[in-house]
Amino acid sequence: SQQGEEDPQALSIQEGENATMNCSYKTSINNLQWYRQNSGRGLVHLILIRSNEREKHSGRLRVTLDTSKKSSSLLITASRAADTASYFCATFGGNYQLIWGAGTKLIIKP
Amino acid sequence: EPEVTQTPSHQVTQMGQEVILRCVPISNHLYFYWYRQILGQKVEFLVSFYNNEISEKSEIFDDQFSVERPDGSNFTLKIRSTKLEDSAMYFCASRLGQGDNQPQHFGDGTRLSIL
Repeated sequence: SQQGEEDPQALSIQEGENATMNCSYKTSINNLQWYRQNSGRGLVHLILIRSNEREKHSGRLRVTLDTSKKSSSLLITASRAADTASYFCATFGGNYQLIWGAGTKLIIKP
Repeated sequence: EPEVTQTPSHQVTQMGQEVILRCVPISNHLYFYWYRQILGQKVEFLVSFYNNEISEKSEIFDDQFSVERPDGSNFTLKIRSTKLEDSAMYFCASRLGQGDNQPQHFGDGTRLSIL
């Protein structure tokens, strides 16, 4: 089953602006995770938010979780060129395998 | 910082041939995973492995696929008779332990191209 659908599919902003990406999921979760993938590279874990948390911060990242709407958002503040990447949300399946969304491709223009 | 390493970075193989993708997980991790990402599509779970056996596999992971941990360090994915649609990025991941607060650590992937 599909889980973790992100929107927008692509986002292009100026350096210094904030970037917001959204993720929706279908089943109940214990936590939701966000990963980054630079072009041609592997997936890097950014942040995990538990189902009993509403908001979590890590540096310039802010993640929110609304379990009633089955949605999460990732906000990157004061974006930099190095933030250009694809961002994925993921949830755990029954054996802790990750179930992935389609991702948001973020482009930061200098 | 320890990392997951995958080799080769790019593998080109003729359709019908067997291919083995190799991964060295982080040394003290106990849970291992393979995922694939077809170009332009989402990442898909293939298989998870713990205590020398498969703990979960997806519908994609059919009889042409197999995994093995032949020694204490390597974790391999074998595709027996490759098809054109097997062309994708294949990612290996490892995880320290059980519990839902343990993130998975990924290698940089092997790009598999089937001709």
